[in-house]
Amino acid sequence: NAGVTQTPKFRVLKTGQSMTLLCAQDMNHEYMYWYRQDPGMGLRLIHYSVGEGTTAKGEVPDGYNVSRLKKQNFLLGLESAAPSQTSVYFCASSLLAGSDTQYFGPGTRLTVL
Amino acid sequence: SQQGEEDPQALSIQEGENATMNCSYKTSINNLQWYRQNSGRGLVHLILIRSNEREKHSGRLRVTLDTSKKSSSLLITASRAADTASYFCATGSGGSNYKLTFGKGTLLTVNP
Repeated sequence: NAGVTQTPKFRVLKTGQSMTLLCAQDMNHEYMYWYRQDPGMGLRLIHYSVGEGTTAKGEVPDGYNVSRLKKQNFLLGLESAAPSQTSVYFCASSLLAGSDTQYFGPGTRLTVL
Repeated sequence: SQQGEEDPQALSIQEGENATMNCSYKTSINNLQWYRQNSGRGLVHLILIRSNEREKHSGRLRVTLDTSKKSSSLLITASRAADTASYFCATGSGGSNYKLTFGKGTLLTVNP
């Protein structure tokens, strides 16, 4: 039982490049989330999903897109990376609604030059 | 916008001492949770306290919740060097608001 996994662990992009971050969970959770964590800002919710085929905007969705084609996977895309998107990205999942206990992945450290 | 705000931002204690961290929030909640984050790692859930509960224990952790003051505290007793981490409170709301809102965290350093 791996829990929540994220790939890649590290990535460096140039401004304007695109990339996709993959999150996978093997706990059969309905709800999945993408957060970013910046120094002094805590965790901020980017997008979330309440089930397969659904997505919704969080607190800071601009510049990101997401997809949840399979229940176990939640993809975060950056179509045209900007230096302001330099951050650590965390994926999380929960069995019940968002206020339930969330299980986090190890994070992806992204640098945009 | 952040719902929970932890206090203090940083705390340094000696091994064996108790550590107390506080969290204040602004709107009504269903539950409040505390998470730990070791440097460079993901967050790990510690404890959840529901809005109708006043106190909860888990091992060396004690959490209190005062809904009238919109505040919570996390007490770690007999701290160890391994407790060194950032601690976050997160508030959960019900209805269609399917998310947790995290504070900015308290950095706890436990010196051997």
